[in-house]
Amino acid sequence: EAQVTQNPRYLITVTGKKLTVTCSQNMNHEYMSWYRQDPGLGLRQIYYSMNVEVTDKGDVPEGYKVSRKEKRNFPLILESPSPNQTSLYFCASSLRRLNTEAFFGQGTRLTVV
Amino acid sequence: SQKIEQNSEALNIQEGKTATLTCNYTNYSPAYLQWYRQDPGRGPVFLLLIRENEKEKRKERLKVTFDTTLKQSLFHITASQPADSATYLCALSSNSGYALNFGKGTSLLVTP
Repeated sequence: EAQVTQNPRYLITVTGKKLTVTCSQNMNHEYMSWYRQDPGLGLRQIYYSMNVEVTDKGDVPEGYKVSRKEKRNFPLILESPSPNQTSLYFCASSLRRLNTEAFFGQGTRLTVV
Repeated sequence: SQKIEQNSEALNIQEGKTATLTCNYTNYSPAYLQWYRQDPGRGPVFLLLIRENEKEKRKERLKVTFDTTLKQSLFHITASQPADSATYLCALSSNSGYALNFGKGTSLLVTP
């Protein structure tokens, strides 16, 4: 089954404790991205990757890092989480950068206390 | 700045009626536009993509129009059902083509 898998689904952590949210897709998609979704603000793109070893900032990249060492995986790293990073996070992938549908993961609800 | 605007007020309609949702955009020159459905706490699910040279696209009970002159897309669900209740998101590729930007969505509630 074609899917984007994120882990964990839920995470509560403390300020400053480094964490990684994993994302994996099994569709051989070139393009992957991370979004956060907050009430009243909608989905905002954090980072994206057009292929292996090619990543770039989205609209809200501060406080986040990503890497794309393999085509299928695109982890999101919070080196020093802060409470303002409490949010619902989604990973997405698409076959190409343009003109194709995006497949989203199930979401990761992160709470930073 | 680039903006995608969807009606923030929830749309309540009766089962069997046609629901019409609006997406307006400014400062975009989109080659295509997409619509997604999102249920609470879940990831968006792709519904339809329409290209700038297509005026209308249909898929089962769904219909999308795309007017690049008005800078507007309309999304219709005919013969609506309670199972259609969800938030519907409009998405456009940024002018650079590197990001898929989403509107904030419109919540649809279909009552029996």
